Amino acid sequence: QVQLVQSGAEVKKPGASVKVSCKASGYTFTTYAMHWVRQAPGQRLEWMGWINADNGNTIYSQKFQGRVTITRDTSASTAYMELSSLRSEDTAVYYCARVYRDGSGWYWYFDYWGQGTLVTVSS
Amino acid sequence: QSALTQPASVSGSPGQSITISCAGTSRDVGGYHYVSWYQQPPGKAPQVMIYDVSNRPAGVSNRFSGSKSGNTASLTISGLQAEDEADYYCSSYTTSSTLVFGGGTKLTVL
Repeated sequence: QVQLVQSGAEVKKPGASVKVSCKASGYTFTTYAMHWVRQAPGQRLEWMGWINADNGNTIYSQKFQGRVTITRDTSASTAYMELSSLRSEDTAVYYCARVYRDGSGWYWYFDYWGQGTLVTVSS
Repeated sequence: QSALTQPASVSGSPGQSITISCAGTSRDVGGYHYVSWYQQPPGKAPQVMIYDVSNRPAGVSNRFSGSKSGNTASLTISGLQAEDEADYYCSSYTTSSTLVFGGGTKLTVL
């Protein structure tokens, strides 16, 4: 069955960077894109960006441009999201979520999500 | 990219129908047929309930339906049940292959 398993919770100091992983199984990794979405405590979902797992192309939300880097390792069927220059407002649960593509193009919705990774930024 | 506009909360009694709106612009909701809706129980990851405005994934109850008119999409839940109590988020494709979420709506089943 399809699974997206994320790395464990992190505690970081302001100014540091964090890298969260998302290991996929149960499907052909390169057939899908991987998106990253975050949710601060009690707040809404916020879309951060995505990577085409086939060719590695990325697109980022303007809000995070310059601070976020999404990569993938096809041999490990794993996507990564690195966020730099952390501040307290980046404290949130970070989710990976996949998007399917076929010959018609991308299906712009998330059919499977990771379990979420809590990143806490505190001095 | 501003968030799509949803009511902060809606409520209904068991058996009733409720509708959650999701207002955007011509650059997102109104410009594309790629609106989706997610249900998020407390402390859990979201789950898709509707995609491409009105399509239901396999396994989602037919009590959930979606529609769109102009720049506003809507999610309707009929025959409300206690298990439907959760937060609901809309999402839309927008320009340059990006996505945007709504502010979220807390559904309370009275």
